[in-house]
Amino acid sequence: AQSVTQPDIHITVSEGASLELRCNYSYGATPYLFWYVQSPGQGLQLLLKYFSGDTLVQGIKGFEAEFKRSQSSFNLRKPSVHWSDAAEYFCAVGRGNNNDMRFGAGTRLTVKP
Amino acid sequence: NAGVMQNPRHLVRRRGQEARLRCSPMKGHSHVYWYRQLPEEGLKFMVYLQKENIIDESGMPKERFSAEFPKEGPSILRIQQVVRGDSAAYFCASSPLREGPSYNEQFFGPGTRLTVL
Repeated sequence: AQSVTQPDIHITVSEGASLELRCNYSYGATPYLFWYVQSPGQGLQLLLKYFSGDTLVQGIKGFEAEFKRSQSSFNLRKPSVHWSDAAEYFCAVGRGNNNDMRFGAGTRLTVKP
Repeated sequence: NAGVMQNPRHLVRRRGQEARLRCSPMKGHSHVYWYRQLPEEGLKFMVYLQKENIIDESGMPKERFSAEFPKEGPSILRIQQVVRGDSAAYFCASSPLREGPSYNEQFFGPGTRLTVL
């Protein structure tokens, strides 16, 4: 069965420090991969997506993610975190056969001053 | 081009009442998806609809929940006889008509937050 795992429920980093949020997926066919950010009480904002091509994907707000097929991973990175990055981050995989999406449980990011 | 619209944004119901959540897809989009987000959890797929057609409802609870996407008007997610466990954020997404096997990106609405008292 298709699944998305975000191993870290909660991560705390200091402002200005680097960030990596992990995402592993299980999906037999070509995965379409996404990272979304959600602030409290808000909807989802798309940070970046991977459909094909270059495995290093650049997104908004200085985020990037790297698709590694051999590790079934799509980790999200940012070189220097800002206090405004504190939010919940969701990794998701789109299924080409039915066009729906499967989400991970999310990683909550706290940024220390 | 307006994005996906959902209303109401917040809905309060007492146990046993009905909840109706509406979703207007982006202009030109013919596919609608509903997701539910329980507190402290990720989004869970519920149902996938095209105009006048339910394509996949594998994520819908077997009882009390139904969805439709009529030829005219918004998609409706209907929850009958709500219980406290139905309290959640319900998100709608839309995508354009698929061409071929590739994936069509979904665009999400702001969500409806349902509270059952």
